[in-house]
Amino acid sequence: DVKVTQSSRYLVKRTGEKVFLECVQDMDHENMFWYRQDPGLGLRLIYFSYDVKMKEKGDIPEGYSVSREKKERFSLILESASTNQTSMYLCASSLVRVRAFSGNTIYFGEGSWLTVV
Amino acid sequence: DQQVKQNSPSLSVQEGRISILNCDYTNSMFDYFLWYKKYPAEGPTFLISISSIKDKNEDGRFTVFLNKSAKHLSLHIVPSQPGDSAVYFCAASRPISGTYKYIFGTGTRLKVLA
Repeated sequence: DVKVTQSSRYLVKRTGEKVFLECVQDMDHENMFWYRQDPGLGLRLIYFSYDVKMKEKGDIPEGYSVSREKKERFSLILESASTNQTSMYLCASSLVRVRAFSGNTIYFGEGSWLTVV
Repeated sequence: DQQVKQNSPSLSVQEGRISILNCDYTNSMFDYFLWYKKYPAEGPTFLISISSIKDKNEDGRFTVFLNKSAKHLSLHIVPSQPGDSAVYFCAASRPISGTYKYIFGTGTRLKVLA
C-alpha cells in the first residue's frame, strides 16, 4: 500500500512565523503535490514537483514555497504565516504520467490542519 | 478561473437508491479524470477514473460517465449505502511543462439516509 505521511496533523502558529509542513512518501513516486482544502473552494493546487529539485507553481502559490531535496520528501514552507493561510493542507504523490489519455492515481496523506493566530 | 466545477454543494439520497454526482470542466486539454471520496479529517481516497478516449468506466457500485462534447462527467453510485456519506471530489488532468497537472473541483457532500 502507498503511504504518504504528513509529519504534523495539527499546528497552531503565530502570524509572521515561518512554517514548515513535511511530507514523505514510500512508493518511489516521481510526482508530489501540495494542495489546500477550504470550505466551498475544494482542493486547490499550491505547488507540485515532478522530480528532485524541480518544482512548478500551481494555482495559488503566493505566500508559499517548496523544497524537494530527496525524491521521497516534499516540504511546503510558509515564509511568513498569515491568518488567511489557516487551512487544511494535503500532500499527495503519484507515478509520473508517461502518455496522453492515461493517468495515475494520486495518493493523499491524512492532511495537516494549520491555524494561524 | 475554476476549470473543474461541481455545481451541487450537497446531495441527499435514500439508502438503496442511486446517487448521481456531477462535474463540469472547461479546458479541452484535460484527458484523464478521477473521482475521490473524502471523510472529515482524512485525506481523499481514490474511487474510480476514466480516460477521455472512453465514455464509461465501471467498478462495482461505482460508474463514471464522460460526455466530452458537453465537457461533463458524472459518478453514479448504485445502490447507495450510509457508508457512502462523504465529500466527493472530481479531478481532471492535463499536460503542462512536460508533465501533468491535476485540478480538483469544489466537492459535493453526499448524505445517504438510512
